[in-house]
Parts: sequence; C-alpha cells; structure tokens
Amino acid sequence: DTAVSQTPKYLVTQMGNDKSIKCEQNLGHDTMYWYKQDSKKFLKIMFSYNNKELIINETVPNRFSPKSPDKAHLNLHINSLELGDSAVYFCASSSSDGYTFGSGTRLTVV
Amino acid sequence: AQRVTQPEKLLSVFKGAPVELKCNYSYSGSPELFWYVQYSRQRLQLLLRHISRESIKGFTADLNKGETSFHLKKPFAQEEDSAMYYCALSAAGGTSYGKLTFGQGTILTVHP
Repeated sequence: DTAVSQTPKYLVTQMGNDKSIKCEQNLGHDTMYWYKQDSKKFLKIMFSYNNKELIINETVPNRFSPKSPDKAHLNLHINSLELGDSAVYFCASSSSDGYTFGSGTRLTVV
Repeated sequence: AQRVTQPEKLLSVFKGAPVELKCNYSYSGSPELFWYVQYSRQRLQLLLRHISRESIKGFTADLNKGETSFHLKKPFAQEEDSAMYYCALSAAGGTSYGKLTFGQGTILTVHP
C-alpha cells in the first residue's frame, strides 16, 4: 500500500496545454503539500492545504491551481503550460510524526 | 525568514572513508531539523530528524544551536550511500508540521 501516491509518474506535453496531477494519501494526515524540484534539484514548496483549506501559497503563478476535494486528496492543475514548468512535482502529507513524500511526477513541457 | 544552506553541491569520498555533509540554518525561533535522502529518481525519504536522535544506516546528526548547524556524519561510507542529501527545516510545532524549507542539496558519491 503506497502511503502517498501521485499520478501520472511521467507527463510530456506541449506548451500551452492544460494538465492535472493527482495526489492521494492514505495516512489520515490533515496536511498536504506540493513541492517543485527544478532542473538544478532545488526543492521549493508551492502549496499547503490543511483539512481542505489553503494555508500556504508561495507566490506561485496563478496558472497553477491546487484543489483539495477532501483531506486525502490534493490535485494540481496547471493551465497554459510553459517550458519553465518542466520539473519534478512532489506531493507530500504530514502529521506530528513528520512528512511522507510521493514518488514524484516528472513533467516535461516541449 | 527561514533559510537552509548546504555549502557543498558535490561531495566525493572513497568507500570506508568518513563523510560529513554540512548544513547551516537561520531561523529566529526553535527549528525542527531533518535530513532527507533521494536515491536516483526516487522519492525523498526521511533519514534523520533531530528530535528523535536516532542513527539510521550509520548516519548521525547533532543539532548545534550555537553554530546553527545540523551536519550529517557517517564514519565509514558505503557505495550504496551515493545519493542526493537534503537538509530541511520546519518552523511549525503543535500537532502538525509546517512547510519544509530545503537546502540546495548535496550529491554524495562514494567510490569503490
């Protein structure tokens, strides 16, 4: 049983398209996150949700829209994809015991 | 503001040699510090957190508040330790952790 699962694992798409990445956690955690790992392997938080409510939005372009239908799911929708959006996107969830990361979605915009 | 610095982007050692990955942080409150490891194209895995004071896979890290450091050490490196290592800081306490601020990462290569 995967604790934090993301789909798809790989995504190749053309500039200008709209795409979504899905994330689900079965740990019962209240808080979920999206992190971006860029081409230099630098990891930075994008969003954080606690019990379906947005609590962190780290100056991410509004082409990125997270959605949390329930506390076990946090999806990321990206409009009008740009070349610079190419990265690995990691979903994570947390409790007082710490963080658990998903395996990442490698997005390539061509 | 919270900041984590890993001064070495790349670190190479030979098998059996000691290894130390440096991490310095700045934060005005009481931080929670972590080390995460990412093997090639895999998910981030928690290696250590300072509050548990555990030793995982032979790695240890001590929080030095005076020097604001949380260096990761292992006395005898193994080839399977080759990976990307991230130091991270969380500022939130209470019932749930807040956001993690990551350092730039250090790629450790252990040569046979």
